[in-house]
Amino acid sequence: NAGVMQNPRHLVRRRGQEARLRCSPMKGHSHVYWYRQLPEEGLKFMVYLQKENIIDESGMPKERFSAEFPKEGPSILRIQQVVRGDSAAYFCASSPGTGGNGYTFGSGTRLTVV
Amino acid sequence: GNSVTQMEGPVTLSEEAFLTINCTYTATGYPSLFWYVQYPGEGLQLLLKATKADDKGSNKGFEATYRKETTSFHLEKGSVQVSDSAVYFCALSEYGNKLVFGAGTILRVKS
Repeated sequence: NAGVMQNPRHLVRRRGQEARLRCSPMKGHSHVYWYRQLPEEGLKFMVYLQKENIIDESGMPKERFSAEFPKEGPSILRIQQVVRGDSAAYFCASSPGTGGNGYTFGSGTRLTVV
Repeated sequence: GNSVTQMEGPVTLSEEAFLTINCTYTATGYPSLFWYVQYPGEGLQLLLKATKADDKGSNKGFEATYRKETTSFHLEKGSVQVSDSAVYFCALSEYGNKLVFGAGTILRVKS
């Protein structure tokens, strides 16, 4: 039973390019959460999605960032026109219902913007 | 808003020493409380949790008690091992939704 799968593990982008981060939740999990971890900091909530719906995007930057969780396929976190400050580890978590107790985290995608 | 404050690290201990990592929280209601552990290059793993006041979470020799009166959830272990070296995050979840994390505490255990 595979856990939460994130890919790629490492992603290097030049300033101005687009970054696409993918997250496949655990089997049977329909809730997905994205978090960002800046160097030497804790994880900060970005967005909470269920299939085809964004439930809470209070942690998403207003520009350049978007997320989706389509009916079929993985959840995608998309960062347009990346800047150096976007360099971070991005973690996805999934749960079978409203989170907290049932969270499972992926291994993360480490984005480096050069 | 909700927040979590952890003691700053790094915490450096010798093997078999006693560990305490302090965690206090601010919440509007009655959150669930968690400790997560992150090993180098990996994601977060749930270490233990407590869902109501006076509950004690425990796992792998680690313990933490939900103290509503002091709004605390301190992590303890009686005898640490080198393999416990990692970053430890205290977190809360209210209404079963998103997690709010502390900044993390680096633990280094020397043999």
